[in-house]
Amino acid sequence: DARVTQTPRHKVTEMGQEVTMRCQPILGHNTVFWYRQTMMQGLELLAYFRNRAPLDDSGMPKDRFSAEMPDATLATLKIQPSEPRDSAVYFCASGLEQGTGKYFGPGTRLTVT
Amino acid sequence: QKEVEQNSGPLSVPEGAIASLNCTYSDRGSQSFFWYRQYSGKSPELIMSIYSNGDKEDGRFTAQLNKASQYVSLLIRDSQPSDSATYLCAVMSGTYKYIFGTGTRLKVLA
Repeated sequence: DARVTQTPRHKVTEMGQEVTMRCQPILGHNTVFWYRQTMMQGLELLAYFRNRAPLDDSGMPKDRFSAEMPDATLATLKIQPSEPRDSAVYFCASGLEQGTGKYFGPGTRLTVT
Repeated sequence: QKEVEQNSGPLSVPEGAIASLNCTYSDRGSQSFFWYRQYSGKSPELIMSIYSNGDKEDGRFTAQLNKASQYVSLLIRDSQPSDSATYLCAVMSGTYKYIFGTGTRLKVLA
């Protein structure tokens, strides 16, 4: 049963600390997305990769967020320094091609105090 | 105007009834449309995709698309309490931009 995996599932950290979230997409999927979900904003697209190349990160605060895909089995989202307003659930999703449905990981619930 | 709009609900229907969930979108060039179900505290789960005008049925679910009216809907027949969740509409805008609505919360009353 192929699934997107994410680690950690929960993270509590203090303001100013670095946070790194990891995602393993479904093997063979060539598109990877990072989303952030809050009650107020819903699901916001942060970054998009196709064949490991970053094609869109316009949804990310550039001064503190960075997303990378060092290989086909790992995508990372880093926040440095973290702020309380970054508290949210961060989802990774992967898919086969443009125009097809995406499959979400379980999410990382981030709390910044 | 939001790119993808949904009524936040909650939409309450009795068990066994048809639940009708609606979504409108602003990009007339959108080609791909999806419905996701999200249980509280869980991640979104893809349940339906639709690409051409008309109806697409999958079990108790029917997706309906009307591109002229920029409208997509999801019908759930014989609603069950286990269908209680938030339903998210997603629209592919451009070559890859995947825009979600804020979701409609459905409550099926036993």
